[in-house]
Amino acid sequence: AQSVTQPDIHITVSEGASLELRCNYSYGATPYLFWYVQSPGQGLQLLLKYFSGDTLVQGIKGFEAEFKRSQSSFNLRKPSVHWSDAAEYFCAVGAGQHNQGGKLIFGQGTELSVKP
Amino acid sequence: DAGVIQSPRHEVTEMGQEVTLRCKPISGHNSLFWYRQTMMRGLELLIYFNNNVPIDDSGMPEDRFSAKMPNASFSTLKIQPSEPRDSAVYFCASSLNKSPLHFGNGTRLTVT
Repeated sequence: AQSVTQPDIHITVSEGASLELRCNYSYGATPYLFWYVQSPGQGLQLLLKYFSGDTLVQGIKGFEAEFKRSQSSFNLRKPSVHWSDAAEYFCAVGAGQHNQGGKLIFGQGTELSVKP
Repeated sequence: DAGVIQSPRHEVTEMGQEVTLRCKPISGHNSLFWYRQTMMRGLELLIYFNNNVPIDDSGMPEDRFSAKMPNASFSTLKIQPSEPRDSAVYFCASSLNKSPLHFGNGTRLTVT
């Protein structure tokens, strides 16, 4: 069965420091992978996606993620965190055959706090 | 682009009452999804529609839950009768073909 694991429930980083959020997935075929961000009281916003091709994908707000098939990982990175990045981050894998964008299985999320 | 619109934003009701959540997808999108978010279970897919037809409702918890999509611009999720364990944030999302999801801001449901 497909699954997504985000090992870190909560991470705190200092403003300006680099960030890496971990994501591991279990999926039988080529995965379609996503990172979403959720601010309090808001819906989820897509940061970036991987469908195929270059394993390093760039997203919005200066985020990037690298797909590593050998490690079943899709970690999210940002070189310098801003206070406005404080939010909850969700990794997801597309589980549907016909709609890679929609039938998503989500990880439990990682809450990011940013220290001034 | 108005985005996915959900109503109401907050709903407080008593156990046993009927609850109806509403969703207007982004114009032109042909797939619509209902997700539920709780602390214990995270984000779960309840049901999704493609071209107004329910494709997969395996995530619907039980018969108390039902969803409809009478046309391309409107969907409802109904709970009858509601129970305290239904308290959660319910998200609607839409997409076009294989594009990623666009989420609404959710409806926070509290059943007392």
